Amino acid sequence: ELKVEQNPLFLSMQEGKNYTIYCNYSTTSDRLYWYRQDPGKSLESLFVLLSNGAVKQEGRLMASLDTKARLSTLHITAAVHDLSATYFCAVVRDFGNEKLTFGTGTRLTIIP
Amino acid sequence: DVKVTQSSRYLVKRTGEKVFLECVQDMDHENMFWYRQDPGLGLRLIYFSYDVKMKEKGDIPEGYSVSREKKERFSLILESASTNQTSMYLCASIPPVTGDNEQFFGPGTRLTVL
Repeated sequence: ELKVEQNPLFLSMQEGKNYTIYCNYSTTSDRLYWYRQDPGKSLESLFVLLSNGAVKQEGRLMASLDTKARLSTLHITAAVHDLSATYFCAVVRDFGNEKLTFGTGTRLTIIP
Repeated sequence: DVKVTQSSRYLVKRTGEKVFLECVQDMDHENMFWYRQDPGLGLRLIYFSYDVKMKEKGDIPEGYSVSREKKERFSLILESASTNQTSMYLCASIPPVTGDNEQFFGPGTRLTVL
């Protein structure tokens, strides 16, 4: 059974600082997604990582995937308040039906 | 733009009621999914459908059923609502042939069962 663990679960950081959210998963998969969720809202897709070594960047966020280590990271550079949200990683566990297993999420709060 | 809509943003029902949650997509998507989201548990898959009238159980199907009579509409049914089904329900779908099979989510329905 595929398990997906994110850490930290909660993260409070000051504006301007850098930090990394980690997503570990337990069985082989070569496709991973990162989503953002604002309070009371739905999930918004951030990144799709399709292969080992994949790196994608959008603004102050950069995501990477290491399929050998079964690890993805979401790096935040020079955080700003607008990045406050909950971030989820999700791993494909069934390529035929595209079933995903989600991590529990990381609630990120950026303090001015 | 990909658009996935859900019938209600907020819903309050009583224990024992039959509840219908509807999800509609307008982009000819094949795979559709129903999740529930609870604090500390992330999103958990209830049911999914990969074609009209085709459905499969997800991880937590107990107490739920689904219906997909038309390709654009996927309904989640709580046959007899219970308080432990109070949750946020999210529908998602995958557009055909995108390459990365990214799931797009609807706005969610926050269901309270009293």
